[in-house]
Amino acid sequence: DQQVKQNSPSLSVQEGRISILNCDYTNSMFDYFLWYKKYPAEGPTFLISISSIKDKNEDGRFTVFLNKSAKHLSLHIVPSQPGDSAVYFCAASAGSGYALNFGKGTSLLVTP
Amino acid sequence: DGGITQSPKYLFRKEGQNVTLSCEQNLNHDAMYWYRQDPGQGLRLIYYSQIVNDFQKGDIAEGYSVSREKKESFPLTVTSAQKNPTAFYLCASSIGTGDYTEAFFGQGTRLTVV
Repeated sequence: DQQVKQNSPSLSVQEGRISILNCDYTNSMFDYFLWYKKYPAEGPTFLISISSIKDKNEDGRFTVFLNKSAKHLSLHIVPSQPGDSAVYFCAASAGSGYALNFGKGTSLLVTP
Repeated sequence: DGGITQSPKYLFRKEGQNVTLSCEQNLNHDAMYWYRQDPGQGLRLIYYSQIVNDFQKGDIAEGYSVSREKKESFPLTVTSAQKNPTAFYLCASSIGTGDYTEAFFGQGTRLTVV
């Protein structure tokens, strides 16, 4: 049973515009959320995270928003660049001692 | 340079054979994990270990075994009981203590059964 869901398998955005990647979760025990970026045949690299005590976290062009009541989070990339083209995974954890649960990923393509 | 090393990068196995994937980290992390990636399936947890000499099954542990005899090493054995072993395998580690810590991943091993 998928506890972390990324319902959009792919997204295409023009360079310079905003990319919005969405993620939903079902387990109310999750209190830490992360986004990873992955290129083919490589391991995922950590991008940004947010704890459940916050509703927003920003790091340069990347912002993650958390809506706990809706069990929804989103990653905003502004402005999008061609180098952002990759698969983005949403992950969630119930805290220390628990492994990360991953969504199926969203493939982002940023076109020039 | 600190990091997680997975070897080999590509591995071919004949049906019916066991094979062991290596994962070593020099980050002094307590926790280590094995995930499997299949097309369209995301990352699914196989096994994880929070401390030396202890490990827990993940969502898809059947047909796999692990050991954690040293803090820096967490090898994964894919046994002949695993019905569909061809996949991309990812090892990760995290500090393991505290509430909010990210996992760092190795570069992966692509296993193909021939």
